Amino acid sequence: GAVVSQHPSRVICKSGTSVKIECRSLDFQATTMFWYRQFPKQSLMLMATSNEGSKATYEQGVEKDKFLINHASLTLSTLTVTSAHPEDSSFYICSAKPGAGSNQPQHFGDGTRLSIL
Amino acid sequence: RKEVEQDPGPFNVPEGATVAFNCTYSNSASQSFFWYRQDCRKEPKLLMSVYSSGNEDGRFTAQLNRASQYISLLIRDSKLSDSATYLCVVNRGGADGLTFGKGTHLIIQP
Repeated sequence: GAVVSQHPSRVICKSGTSVKIECRSLDFQATTMFWYRQFPKQSLMLMATSNEGSKATYEQGVEKDKFLINHASLTLSTLTVTSAHPEDSSFYICSAKPGAGSNQPQHFGDGTRLSIL
Repeated sequence: RKEVEQDPGPFNVPEGATVAFNCTYSNSASQSFFWYRQDCRKEPKLLMSVYSSGNEDGRFTAQLNRASQYISLLIRDSKLSDSATYLCVVNRGGADGLTFGKGTHLIIQP
């Protein structure tokens, strides 16, 4: 089945550090990948849609200069949290879907648990 | 009104029982509907897509009522391994991004 790999799974770092998270589709090409964030006891919230070869589309309230997204190939999207602060601590999850059409389910990476001290 | 609403539970159910979850969504333009399960501190995993005609996958049955903007999930003969949080998920009309409910927490008791 469709597999999405996310790395790293856990990051602990000091305030002010920039953190890069990778999302890879292992057995399919994905022109579009999605980045979500989940705070404790909250639902997953879409942050941005990553488009291969073009700029990402950010949801309202998500700072594009804070959360840099690069989708340089059909199998890799990266999210960089720049100058991270404690309030950025969260569970970040990417997803991708193997086919076109909105009825195709998205497959999620394992998630990255980010803790900013 | 929240885009996707679910009863958070928890639902405490004895093993072998049947349990049903409901979900309502506000965006009438939504076209695709899913149930995902999420175990504690893990990523969501697709349980099943939900189709207008209703669909079944083993012990799991999903129903969609577009007129009422209502989705349901029925679990029969529940197992201990069914304990998880069940997420009602809809796409956002023209966009492909998904909108998640907060989830319904299910605990199957031996």
